[in-house]
Amino acid sequence: DAGVTQSPTHLIKTRGQQVTLRCSPISGHKSVSWYQQVLGQGPQFIFQYYEKEERGRGNFPDRFSARQFPNYSSELNVNALLLGDSALYLCASSFGGSRGYTFGSGTRLTVV
Amino acid sequence: GENVEQHPSTLSVQEGDSAVIKCTYSDSASNYFPWYKQELGKRPQLIIDIRSNVGEKKDQRIAVTLNKTAKHFSLHITETQPEDSAVYFCAAEARGGKLIFGQGTELSVKP
Repeated sequence: DAGVTQSPTHLIKTRGQQVTLRCSPISGHKSVSWYQQVLGQGPQFIFQYYEKEERGRGNFPDRFSARQFPNYSSELNVNALLLGDSALYLCASSFGGSRGYTFGSGTRLTVV
Repeated sequence: GENVEQHPSTLSVQEGDSAVIKCTYSDSASNYFPWYKQELGKRPQLIIDIRSNVGEKKDQRIAVTLNKTAKHFSLHITETQPEDSAVYFCAAEARGGKLIFGQGTELSVKP
């Protein structure tokens, strides 16, 4: 039984570019959350989607957007990349949108 | 605002000793408190969690206690082993399915 899968694992982008990160939740899980983890800090909440609806949004600029598809997979998009967007982007899935969050291995984004 | 404070930031113990990590949270509506272990370069892994209707929960060498009145919860690891060395994060669940994480504790268990 696969866990939470994220792609790509690593990515290098130039300032001003756009990036799309992908996440597939555990089979049967209907909720996906996105977090940004800067080196040496705890993960920071970006979005949560449950049953394809946005349920929560963190304190991130409008350059960050996300969506959830009918199969419950999700994409996180970041436009106009800044150097400060360099981080590990984590996806977490849960069955009911609350509790029991399982994290994927993340996408390491480097902006140069 | 929503905030979780975690202490200490680093903790070094001898193998076999106990380790305690403490967290306080600000949102009185929080009712779910997970703990995650993150090894270098790896994903956070859930090691134990507690809900607000329970004061203590144990799983082998790991235990968590919760004091809702004081908005305080703690992780206790007994009989520490070198493989327990990692960064540990506490979290509190806020509205909108948001987990608010503490700053992390780097635990080092010396053989």
